[in-house]
Amino acid sequence: RKEVEQDPGPFNVPEGATVAFNCTYSNSASQSFFWYRQDCRKEPKLLMSVYSSGNEDGRFTAQLNRASQYISLLIRDSKLSDSATYLCVVLGDGGSNYKLTFGKGTLLTVNP
Amino acid sequence: DTEVTQTPKHLVMGMTNKKSLKCEQHMGHRAMYWYKQKAKKPPELMFVYSYEKLSINESVPSRFSPECPNSSLLNLHLHALQPEDSALYLCASSQEMWDEQYFGPGTRLTVT
Repeated sequence: RKEVEQDPGPFNVPEGATVAFNCTYSNSASQSFFWYRQDCRKEPKLLMSVYSSGNEDGRFTAQLNRASQYISLLIRDSKLSDSATYLCVVLGDGGSNYKLTFGKGTLLTVNP
Repeated sequence: DTEVTQTPKHLVMGMTNKKSLKCEQHMGHRAMYWYKQKAKKPPELMFVYSYEKLSINESVPSRFSPECPNSSLLNLHLHALQPEDSALYLCASSQEMWDEQYFGPGTRLTVT
């Protein structure tokens, strides 16, 4: 089983659509969870940290289910500027290994 | 301000050249990282420095040599690279190793 597995995509949606990304991770001892977005030929940018209680930032909602080892990202009312690759990222293995493990990313294209 | 800067933006070097990549952050972060990213792949961790000491070396070939002169600066010295080393080299920093990481814009390296 891959350490961090994401929907392979790509996703093509019209402006205003709601889109959901799913991610699972294999190490139950992982400590922290994030969503990053990466535009073509640019660096990854932190979008949100993800907590078990769920967190929301404007149109973006992230959720963590530790029991199912599942992370989600919901984008409401999608904009053209949301077009990017979305990376599910997991930190740590429960010990002193604080490495980030990246999913392969899911490409989102929002169309006019 | 969550800014990590990197120089140069682009670098073309021959296989016999010696060059250095530079990374700087003024956020007081104590952990700094080097990643390598090939096209359409997620970033791969190369090195981690914590409190100016090398904490993780992901079995990177010795032709890549990291250096952390002080808490704000991170260098990557390159020597005798191969064409397959051509990639985007990303620097990142975080407050501590278990915190979210912020990436610089990267150096796009081409080895001829």
